[in-house]
Amino acid sequence: KNQVEQSPQSLIILEGKNCTLQCNYTVSPFSNLRWYKQDTGRGPVSLTIMTFSENTKSNGRYTATLDADTKQSSLHITASQLSDSASYICVVIFFGNEKLTFGTGTRLTIIP
Amino acid sequence: DGGITQSPKYLFRKEGQNVTLSCEQNLNHDAMYWYRQDPGQGLRLIYYSQIVNDFQKGDIAEGYSVSREKKESFPLTVTSAQKNPTAFYLCASSRGHPGYNEQFFGPGTRLTVL
Repeated sequence: KNQVEQSPQSLIILEGKNCTLQCNYTVSPFSNLRWYKQDTGRGPVSLTIMTFSENTKSNGRYTATLDADTKQSSLHITASQLSDSASYICVVIFFGNEKLTFGTGTRLTIIP
Repeated sequence: DGGITQSPKYLFRKEGQNVTLSCEQNLNHDAMYWYRQDPGQGLRLIYYSQIVNDFQKGDIAEGYSVSREKKESFPLTVTSAQKNPTAFYLCASSRGHPGYNEQFFGPGTRLTVL
């Protein structure tokens, strides 16, 4: 069964610091992998979309990386801001069924 | 929220009642989706529609119903048959198949059963 697992479940960091969120997926291949940001009580907003042939994609202070050998993606946030406080969701679209498989998310809190 | 609106933002339902959640999009997208989000779980697909007047069950369709009479609208009815309806419901749309096209999400409706 295709699964997507994210770690850590929650993370608290000081404003201005960097952090890295992890996404591990089982079974491959996949067609693309996405990272979403979801503010509390709001819908998810797309941050990055990577195909299986890409290994990095940036969107401002957000940089997603992909290692197909270890079946792992990371989302790196640089110089965190209070507005980065949100849940970050990893989504993998696997070949064969083209279904979106959502991870459970990482809850990030930035403190001043 | 990319041109997708959901209403109401908060909804309270008594046990045994049916309720309908509204989803409208002005993105001219063919495909629309309903997801359910529960604490500690990933989004789960309830129903999806690739084209007007056609829709398919997702992974957790039991106790829910939908219609797609207009391209812009995809309402979700939570029936009394849904035993645990308290959750955050998200509507999404995409130009085509979600595997190859970005999905845009609405702001969500939080449903609480009293």
